[in-house]
Amino acid sequence: DVKVTQSSRYLVKRTGEKVFLECVQDMDHENMFWYRQDPGLGLRLIYFSYDVKMKEKGDIPEGYSVSREKKERFSLILESASTNQTSMYLCASSPAPSIPQETQYFGPGTRLLVL
Amino acid sequence: EDQVTQSPEALRLQEGESSSLNCSYTVSGLRGLFWYRQDPGKGPEFLFTLYSAGEEKEKERLKATLTKKESFLHITAPKPEDSATYLCAVQAHAAGNKLTFGGGTRVLVKP
Repeated sequence: DVKVTQSSRYLVKRTGEKVFLECVQDMDHENMFWYRQDPGLGLRLIYFSYDVKMKEKGDIPEGYSVSREKKERFSLILESASTNQTSMYLCASSPAPSIPQETQYFGPGTRLLVL
Repeated sequence: EDQVTQSPEALRLQEGESSSLNCSYTVSGLRGLFWYRQDPGKGPEFLFTLYSAGEEKEKERLKATLTKKESFLHITAPKPEDSATYLCAVQAHAAGNKLTFGGGTRVLVKP
């Protein structure tokens, strides 16, 4: 079974803090993704990565950055947390697009509250 | 721009009362349409992938179908454990492995 783990289930931070969200997958997947999920807005893609040290902006990258130094690990960084970044953050991974049935597999999510 | 719209937003069913969820989409070259189930406080769990119009997939009480404009998730004789949010997502040929998600349908099945 594919396993995607996220470093924290719940996180409380102060406005202006630098926040790191970590995601690790154990299936040697090339692709990794960070989403945020908000009521009424669904899942929105923040950043994704097709390979180590490669990153692409998603639909809402403002206020975020990412790091992928190793294939299995993808980090989301909030440089200076703001209250409008309070949300559920979901990490996902998938194999390369050329492989059939290449769905994305999701982690359990990190619920972040910024005070 | 790829778009996915799910309806209804919420659905309350009695146990055993079959119903269907709708996922309407516009995409420039559909590569795949995905259905996920999400329980409260958890990440989405993969259910089905559909690739072409006319395709159907089944899993227990769930059956997904696909046309050129929409997909349906039929829930037959639902049980309380089928209560969850069901998410639909599309993948376009030009989008690599990116998915565009709909807003989801919250299903509550009462005993």
